[in-house]
Amino acid sequence: EAGVVQSPRYKIIEKKQPVAFWCNPISGHNTLYWYLQNLGQGPELLIRYENEEAVDDSQLPKDRFSAERLKGVDSTLKIQPAELGDSAVYLCASSIQGAHTQYFGPGTRLTVL
Amino acid sequence: AQTVTQSQPEMSVQEAETVTLSCTYDTSENNYYLFWYKQPPSRQMILVIRQEAYKQQNATENRFSVNFQKAAKSFSLKISDSQLGDTAMYFCAFIIPEPFTGTASKLTFGTGTRLQVTL
Repeated sequence: EAGVVQSPRYKIIEKKQPVAFWCNPISGHNTLYWYLQNLGQGPELLIRYENEEAVDDSQLPKDRFSAERLKGVDSTLKIQPAELGDSAVYLCASSIQGAHTQYFGPGTRLTVL
Repeated sequence: AQTVTQSQPEMSVQEAETVTLSCTYDTSENNYYLFWYKQPPSRQMILVIRQEAYKQQNATENRFSVNFQKAAKSFSLKISDSQLGDTAMYFCAFIIPEPFTGTASKLTFGTGTRLQVTL
């Protein structure tokens, strides 16, 4: 069974530029999460989807961050414009709806110069 | 507020030895799930072990076992017969199901313990 897929693995951009991350969850997993992991810290939730509905986006900085999961499968997280403080690892995870074990992708390391 | 505390930023163990990583958490809820995840330099967060709070029996997965003390809100991870491949950051985390529906919610993570396994 394929795991959670994320791309790209690395991204380097200049500040004020836009950037997008893509996630493909494990097949059959209705719940999808985006987490932000700063250096030396544990991940923190940005947004949670149940199918195509964002059910928890309270921690998503909506002035510059947006996310979508149009068909309830793949998801895209976007930052526009990026700031220096956005340099971090962005992790995507998925779980079966109603289950409590989350499976993570390899993450995208973003560096904003 | 729900919090997780990992008081050991770094630990080292020799190959084949046993090591215990500490974790305490704080919640007023009675129903929750506890996890240990491993994050090697590749950054992939890998599930190590899971414990349901309503189960008194400690979870075990091969060389990995936990000591779950619900009253003390403690959830330590024991790694037996340590291997070089165990070198990684280890994160303790817990999840509280959504009220009424019992569906998934967010994981709350600690700050991690960096484990180095040496020859």
